[in-house]
Amino acid sequence: GENVEQHPSTLSVQEGDSAVIKCTYSDSASNYFPWYKQELGKRPQLIIDIRSNVGEKKDQRIAVTLNKTAKHFSLHITETQPEDSAVYFCAALASGGSYIPTFGRGTSLIVHP
Amino acid sequence: NAGVTQTPKFQVLKTGQSMTLQCAQDMNHEYMSWYRQDPGMGLRLIHYSVGAGITDQGEVPNGYNVSRSTTEDFPLRLLSAAPSQTSVYFCASSEAGTGQETQYFGPGTRLLVL
Repeated sequence: GENVEQHPSTLSVQEGDSAVIKCTYSDSASNYFPWYKQELGKRPQLIIDIRSNVGEKKDQRIAVTLNKTAKHFSLHITETQPEDSAVYFCAALASGGSYIPTFGRGTSLIVHP
Repeated sequence: NAGVTQTPKFQVLKTGQSMTLQCAQDMNHEYMSWYRQDPGMGLRLIHYSVGAGITDQGEVPNGYNVSRSTTEDFPLRLLSAAPSQTSVYFCASSEAGTGQETQYFGPGTRLLVL
């Protein structure tokens, strides 16, 4: 089955800095890679995703990059703000096969004002 | 739409007790899943269903049962609660199909087993 590794487990930055979270996956059949944000005490919610036919996707201050050859993908947050503080999960799934994602263990991002 | 709902929000059980965590969705989604979230362990899949009458095991199914008699409901049963089942449980639903993979999570149930 799929195995998703996520690093780092904790990331502490100053407001305005950039943050990068990295994930690797094992199953070459995976072709859809979403990122979920979970604020304290809340449910995870999708913030951005990328498909295997795209190398990069941006949405305002967040971007995701994908390297299919190396089987890794990353979340980039620029100009971080205190409200970006949350746990971020990456995931991988094979769209067209099983639609059940495998999640990474999560990264706790702390943005200091 | 209420989305995905879960009850109860919080529950305390004694070791050996049984209970059912309820999950319902009103989006007519085919796929439903149960995850448990423990510190440092991420979201681990317990059981999932790809449609009414069809269920399958995930990564950590031991000690849990599920059934899917309707599209809307996907209850999770703890047969004999153990302290190791202390966790936050999330139910999620999604459609099946490329472009429809977003998981919609419920608000979670926090379970404490003494």
